[in-house]
Parts: sequence; structure tokens; C-alpha cells
Amino acid sequence: GQQLNQSPQSMFIQEGEDVSMNCTSSSIFNTWLWYKQDPGEGPVLLIALYKAGELTSNGRLTAQFGITRKDSFLNISASIPSDVGIYFCAGPPGGGADGLTFGKGTHLIIQP
Amino acid sequence: DAGITQSPRHKVTETGTPVTLRCHQTENHRYMYWYRQDPGHGLRLIHYSYGVKDTDKGEVSDGYSVSRSKTEDFLLTLESATSSQTSVYFCATLSPGDTGELFFGEGSRLTVL
Repeated sequence: GQQLNQSPQSMFIQEGEDVSMNCTSSSIFNTWLWYKQDPGEGPVLLIALYKAGELTSNGRLTAQFGITRKDSFLNISASIPSDVGIYFCAGPPGGGADGLTFGKGTHLIIQP
Repeated sequence: DAGITQSPRHKVTETGTPVTLRCHQTENHRYMYWYRQDPGHGLRLIHYSYGVKDTDKGEVSDGYSVSRSKTEDFLLTLESATSSQTSVYFCATLSPGDTGELFFGEGSRLTVL
């Protein structure tokens, strides 16, 4: 099946720093979704992208849908302790109703 | 919040025993999914349902079966649990419309000894 390669696997940063992570696919996606998972909970949607080249923000988070439709980027500005968690990129390999394919996640760890 | 409740939230069982995990949703969403999450693998789709009694396999369906007799309930069964099925299991529903967004439950942690 289609694979999503997400990097980096983990990030150790200091509070206040900016964060960048990305996701690449072996094939074209028509939708890119970014989720965050807090410990002991299910993933929660942060940002959804539906158009190649689209740049969307949600507070301190900004995500972009790559022009080739094979990649996406998520940036977090001025990180704070509650940003700690696992961030996943995801996309629908088929029409969307048959589920999402997820990247393996980026663990964000913030050092005070 | 898609009103998803998973039960049990934690279970420890022995190899060879049957296990059923339940997912209950209150939003009347048509599509429901079971994922498993393992370190180094992210989230992988086990089975999904596109309506009552309509189900299909996902990427890692071997050793699992599902049933959906009512819109609100989606059951995941391990007929004979193995240690490789130790994992955290997440149920999800698909947001109506064409957004592709999945809403997730809080997860069920299963340990097979």
C-alpha cells in the first residue's frame, strides 16, 4: 500500500523554538491531514489541506500542501510545553471513505 | 467530539483466548474504522465498515474480525489472541461530507501474555 514517510522521528527542542516537520508520499494525495496525539488519548485533527499549494494556519500552527501533491509540511512557531506529543500526517489513499494512511509520527519533546 | 466510546479501555488476557473490543458512537456516522497503534509503525488500519453489516479489510486484518449490527456499534474480535496483537486499538468515525477527517476514540490498550 501507499506509504507516508514522516520526518524527523523525534525532536528535542527548547521552549520558544520553532518546529518544522514534513511528510512525503510515494504517490499523489488529494488531501493532507495533520493530527496530534497527547499521551493516553486518541489523535485529534489540527489542520486539513485540500488543494495543492495551499497554506493553512491554526494559531501557531501552519501547514502546507506541497505543489507536487506528494508532500506536506507542518510548522509550529514559538513552542510551548503543551505542544508536547506525537504529530501525524495522514492522507486518504483511495476516495477517503476507506480510511486514512498515517505517517509513523514525529515525537515532539520540549525541554524547559 | 464525535461521541466515540471504546470499551474496555484496558485489558490483559492470555494467548489463545478470544477478545472483543467495542466501539460505540452517538453521531450516527456511516463509516467506522479500527486501527492499531504500535511503536515504530504509527496507526495501521485493521478493518472498516461503510454501513450496517458492510465491512472491509484494511492493511493488517489477519487475526481479526469485525461486526456491525447497528449503526452505532462496531465490534473488533480477536478469535484467539496472540502476543503480536498486544497493542493500543483505536476506533474512528468519518466526518460526514468530503473532508476526509477521522474522529478517534480514546483507545483500548490490550496486553496479551
